[in-house]
Amino acid sequence: KNEVEQSPQNLTAQEGEFITINCSYSVGISALHWLQQHPGGGIVSLFMLSSGKKKHGRLIATINIQEKHSSLHITASHPRDSAVYICAVEGSDSGAGSYQLTFGKGTKLSVIP
Amino acid sequence: NAGVTQTPKFRVLKTGQSMTLLCAQDMNHEYMYWYRQDPGMGLRLIHYSVGEGTTAKGEVPDGYNVSRLKKQNFLLGLESAAPSQTSVYFCASRLGRSQLGEQYFGPGTRLTVT
Repeated sequence: KNEVEQSPQNLTAQEGEFITINCSYSVGISALHWLQQHPGGGIVSLFMLSSGKKKHGRLIATINIQEKHSSLHITASHPRDSAVYICAVEGSDSGAGSYQLTFGKGTKLSVIP
Repeated sequence: NAGVTQTPKFRVLKTGQSMTLLCAQDMNHEYMYWYRQDPGMGLRLIHYSVGEGTTAKGEVPDGYNVSRLKKQNFLLGLESAAPSQTSVYFCASRLGRSQLGEQYFGPGTRLTVT
């Protein structure tokens, strides 16, 4: 079973700061997902990546397959970025093509004006 | 296009009572999943379905049953609720075998068992 570790667990930043959230996993994967959970509870997918780097607005996700590590960066952070960010991995041997995800515990980000 | 919806949004049950949570998606997705989210833990997979008429166990299936009689609906049942099943339940769906593999989540159901 894949173990997914996120760091830090909690992060407080001043508006405008550059933020990095890290995710490491223990065994090979076919894809890694970054999700955002809003304070109201809803969960949305931010990125799915299997190699390299992806960018969407102020968000950048990178993955290093050899090191089994991914980072989520937020540039010019804003209070509306306050949320829980969740890393999840899709195992390369995901049972019978079920695309099951194993989730990290999340990183709670608070951006202060 | 409503995406993924869940019914109900909140529910309080007494120990031993039964209930069914309904998940519906209008995106013609093949794959559907039920998760539970507990404080201090990551989302955990309860059951999943890879297509109409099929279901399979996930990481924490005990105490739950599921059915996928129609492609758009995935039902999660608790036959005899226990306090340990107090949790927030999320349903998600995904396209079938595809590179477009993001999962779309419902808004969640907060269940309390007393």
